[in-house]
Amino acid sequence: DVKVTQSSRYLVKRTGEKVFLECVQDMDHENMFWYRQDPGLGLRLIYFSYDVKMKEKGDIPEGYSVSREKKERFSLILESASTNQTSMYLCASRDSGTPNEQFFGPGTRLTVL
Amino acid sequence: AQKVTQAQTEISVVEKEDVTLDCVYETRDTTYYLFWYKQPPSGELVFLIRRNSFDEQNEISGRYSWNFQKSTSSFNFTITASQVVDSAVYFCALSGVIQGAQKLVFGQGTRLTINP
Repeated sequence: DVKVTQSSRYLVKRTGEKVFLECVQDMDHENMFWYRQDPGLGLRLIYFSYDVKMKEKGDIPEGYSVSREKKERFSLILESASTNQTSMYLCASRDSGTPNEQFFGPGTRLTVL
Repeated sequence: AQKVTQAQTEISVVEKEDVTLDCVYETRDTTYYLFWYKQPPSGELVFLIRRNSFDEQNEISGRYSWNFQKSTSSFNFTITASQVVDSAVYFCALSGVIQGAQKLVFGQGTRLTINP
């Protein structure tokens, strides 16, 4: 079974802190994704990576950056956390080639005070 | 631009009732894929089904069935004889392809509550 793990289920940070959210997958997938989920808005794509060291902006990249130095790990970075970044963050991975589905991690609920 | 609309924000039914979750999509692509995911209270999205734009056959998997109609750009999901374990948030999603990755566009989600 595909396993996507995220470093924390719950995280509380203060405004202005630098925040790292880590995601690891164990199935050698090329593609990895970071989404945020907010009530009434569904999931919105922040950044994605189609291979190691490759990254592309999604629909809402402002305030975020990412890093993918190894194939299995995709990190989301909040350079200076703000209260409007309080949200559920979901990581996903998939094998490249249409039409494979994405596999999701359990999510990190981030609260920025 | 691609868009997915799930007009039903919340649905609440009594156990054993049938329930249909609506999904309407917009795309200019001729080839595309549609997905349904389930998000139980634990938070992890679980893949339910994938459908390509060339296959309009309805699909049934146990108590779950899906009705894909290109003419109305809809991909509706029906649960027959609902059970309490079906309580979850359900997302419909549409795929586009960018740089070899498959970018998913999600609907807003429908929160389904099955009452005993």
